[in-house]
Amino acid sequence: DVKVTQSSRYLVKRTGEKVFLECVQDMDHENMFWYRQDPGLGLRLIYFSYDVKMKEKGDIPEGYSVSREKKERFSLILESASTNQTSMYLCASIGRGGTEAFFGQGTRLTVV
Amino acid sequence: KQEVTQIPAALSVPEGENLVLNCSFTDSAIYNLQWFRQDPGKGLTSLLLIQSSQREQTSGRLNASLDKSSGRSTLYIAASQPGDSATYLCAVSLMMDSSYKLIFGSGTRLLVRP
Repeated sequence: DVKVTQSSRYLVKRTGEKVFLECVQDMDHENMFWYRQDPGLGLRLIYFSYDVKMKEKGDIPEGYSVSREKKERFSLILESASTNQTSMYLCASIGRGGTEAFFGQGTRLTVV
Repeated sequence: KQEVTQIPAALSVPEGENLVLNCSFTDSAIYNLQWFRQDPGKGLTSLLLIQSSQREQTSGRLNASLDKSSGRSTLYIAASQPGDSATYLCAVSLMMDSSYKLIFGSGTRLLVRP
């Protein structure tokens, strides 16, 4: 059974903290993505990566960075968390050839 | 710029009814189209993937069709059940230089009443 696993279902962090969201996939997929989902705004792409150590900005990269040191792991970093980053964060992966996309279970982050 | 629209935004039907969810996209140069289901507070679960060269895909009570030339896809759910209640999202995949990009619709929120 294919799997994309996000490290936390729920997180509560304080304003100004550095926050790490981890995502691991076991399908040997090249492409990995981070989205945030907000009511009325849908899913918005933050960053994506098509290979180890490669990263590309999505539509809303401001306030975020990413790391991909190993093929199976893609981390999203909030350098200094702010209340407007309270959201549901979703990780996804797609294999070579644009195969089916798989999503993690989501991380509900609350910044107080 | 590719835009994906889903109609209706919300739908309430009695159990047992057959129903159709619609998805339209503005640029026919897609790589594939995928339908997802999302339960409240959860991630997305893949339902069906249609490659750009295909016309339809079926899985159990679900059937998805794709008409690239008109920029439309439909998800048909037969004999709906209360457990089908969820938000359904469609996404088109665009091929980029080194990767792919998924463009999502805003979803259809489905309620199946017992």
